[in-house]
Amino acid sequence: SQKIEQNSEALNIQEGKTATLTCNYTNYSPAYLQWYRQDPGRGPVFLLLIRENEKEKRKERLKVTFDTTLKQSLFHITASQPADSATYLCALDMKTGNMLTFGGGTRLMVKP
Amino acid sequence: DVKVTQSSRYLVKRTGEKVFLECVQDMDHENMFWYRQDPGLGLRLIYFSYDVKMKEKGDIPEGYSVSREKKERFSLILESASTNQTSMYLCASRPGTANNQPQHFGDGTRLSIL
Repeated sequence: SQKIEQNSEALNIQEGKTATLTCNYTNYSPAYLQWYRQDPGRGPVFLLLIRENEKEKRKERLKVTFDTTLKQSLFHITASQPADSATYLCALDMKTGNMLTFGGGTRLMVKP
Repeated sequence: DVKVTQSSRYLVKRTGEKVFLECVQDMDHENMFWYRQDPGLGLRLIYFSYDVKMKEKGDIPEGYSVSREKKERFSLILESASTNQTSMYLCASRPGTANNQPQHFGDGTRLSIL
């Protein structure tokens, strides 16, 4: 069956370092992959979208890569700040139709 | 800026009650979604509406129904609430049908069924 895996354990890093989060998927070839940020008690907020024919996408301190051979996306935050602490979700169009499937999210904690 | 508003942040209901969760978006989006979010299970799609009066089942529609009589409003109905429906419910909207468009979420309704 189709599956999306994000590291369920929290990622703790020091302020100023680069945070790298992983999204792995199986048994499908999505055309798009999206990343969202979710703060406690709030709904997810869209950050970036990357297409299957794009290797990399950047937005300010954020960088997303998409390796369709490895079936993996990496989400990087450079020069991380405590304000970057949140849960980050990846989402893929895993099915025919027009719906996204979300991963379980990875919690990032940036310590000052 | 797109605003998706869910009518209640917290709701407590009793087993067997009929529960209505309301969602309104202000950007004339065609598509609207209802998800539930549970620890360890992530976001799961309950129902999707691609236009007024149109709907499709998501991954976990059992025990739920939806209503979309107006474009801006999408309601989730728990026909007879059960304790396993205690969860965070999130509504989202999207301009059109393509999966290359971002979804815009409300801040959720935390529903407790006693």
